[in-house]
Amino acid sequence: DAKTTQPNSMESNEEEPVHLPCNHSTISGTDYIHWYRQLPSQGPEYVIHGLTSNVNNRMASLAIAEDRKSSTLILHRATLRDAAVYYCILRDRNNAGNMLTFGGGTRLMVKP
Amino acid sequence: NAGVMQNPRHLVRRRGQEARLRCSPMKGHSHVYWYRQLPEEGLKFMVYLQKENIIDESGMPKERFSAEFPKEGPSILRIQQVVRGDSAAYFCASSPRTAYEQYFGPGTRLTVT
Repeated sequence: DAKTTQPNSMESNEEEPVHLPCNHSTISGTDYIHWYRQLPSQGPEYVIHGLTSNVNNRMASLAIAEDRKSSTLILHRATLRDAAVYYCILRDRNNAGNMLTFGGGTRLMVKP
Repeated sequence: NAGVMQNPRHLVRRRGQEARLRCSPMKGHSHVYWYRQLPEEGLKFMVYLQKENIIDESGMPKERFSAEFPKEGPSILRIQQVVRGDSAAYFCASSPRTAYEQYFGPGTRLTVT
């Protein structure tokens, strides 16, 4: 799987939007961009994924650059419950059943 | 629909004992993945199973570790003759089909004394 690069940590204020960046300059045409998060002392949780177009769901939005070499996870209004480690992961859609390869992720801290 | 269940949530074993970790996937999910998270480290893939078959065990240590997912019952991750370095959080995930998003359980925290 292609490699992703994320900042180690970010800080946000409660109820403000948060933009979590991810660089994946070696992404291939068949790689989906997935985001998971891990709250303290819990298992990872799926957040969102996309291929080329921007995606929205009840948890977040995913903005994908036109060249697909970077993407941004957007939390529209951060809450204290959003404090977690956020992982950006590439998954090859042709490699059916492949595992998730977690990097270091971004630790998001939310201030009240 | 209940989520992925893992038990026990916490397990303490002395060096040399066996540890058995159980994972019940979400209803309708036939694909199970096991991951390990060592203290202060990231999650690492261990093994991927489909009912009664091991599909990918490239992340499993060569010795002492084994996994199964029988036709009936939960998936089991078995660690024989545990050592202190096996102390970690072990997470199980399931999915309804390949290349789909994975749903994780709460993990089993293994402590080897």
